[in-house]
Amino acid sequence: QVQLVESGGGLVKPGGSLRLSCAASGFTFSDYYMSWIRQAPGKGLEWVSYISPGSTTIYHADSVKGRFTISRDNAKKSLYLQMNRLRAEDTAVYYCARAYDYGDFWGQGILVTVSS
Amino acid sequence: EIVLTQSPGTLSLSPGERATLSCRASHSVSNNHLAWYQQKPGQAPRLLIYGASSRATGIPDRFSGSGSGTDFTLTITRLEPEDFAVYSCQQYGSSHWTFGQGTKVEIK
Repeated sequence: QVQLVESGGGLVKPGGSLRLSCAASGFTFSDYYMSWIRQAPGKGLEWVSYISPGSTTIYHADSVKGRFTISRDNAKKSLYLQMNRLRAEDTAVYYCARAYDYGDFWGQGILVTVSS
Repeated sequence: EIVLTQSPGTLSLSPGERATLSCRASHSVSNNHLAWYQQKPGQAPRLLIYGASSRATGIPDRFSGSGSGTDFTLTITRLEPEDFAVYSCQQYGSSHWTFGQGTKVEIK
C-alpha cells in the first residue's frame, strides 16, 4: 500500500534552516508529481510546493519563494524540502503528499516549530 | 488567487442525519476543478471528492459532491459516527491552488 513518511522536523530559531524528507513506498515514485502542504496550528491547509516526476516543473507558493526549495531523488524514492530563513509564521505541520492538482495520498505530517 | 469560503464554520448534527456543506469561490473555478477532504484530529487529510463530483477510491456513496462555477456542495446523506470530522474544499483550477478554512461536523 502507498506509504509516505516524513522526517526532519523540530524546533528551530527564526532565521534558521531545516531539511524535511519524505520516504515513499508502495507506488512507482518516479511516475508522480509530489507536493508539500502545510497546516499552521488551528488554521487551514496551504499548498507550499510541488515538483514534477523529472524535476523539470517546480512550484513554490509566494509565501516561501526564495526561502524554500523542493527536490526529489527518484532512485531513493524520496522527496525533500530545504527550508531556509525560517520565520515564526512557518510554524506548521508539514505534509508530504502524492499530489498534483489534488492529493490522493498524504503522509502523517511532521511538526516544524520556529521560535526563539 | 481564488479565495474559498466554507460555511457553516461548525455543523452540529446527530448520527443518521444529512449534512450539507458549502464552499463558495471568489472567482469561477475552471473545469470544476474542486476537491473535498476529510480530516480527523491528529490525522492527515483524506481525499473524498475530486472534479467537484467524482468520489475517490474507497469512499462510501453516502458522500457526494455537486456544484459548478463558484458554488459547490458536499453532502453526506446519513452521518455515521466516523464521519464527524473537519471537511475542507480545495480548488485546482488556477495556477495557485487554494483551500477553504474548513467546516467542522460535530456530534449534537
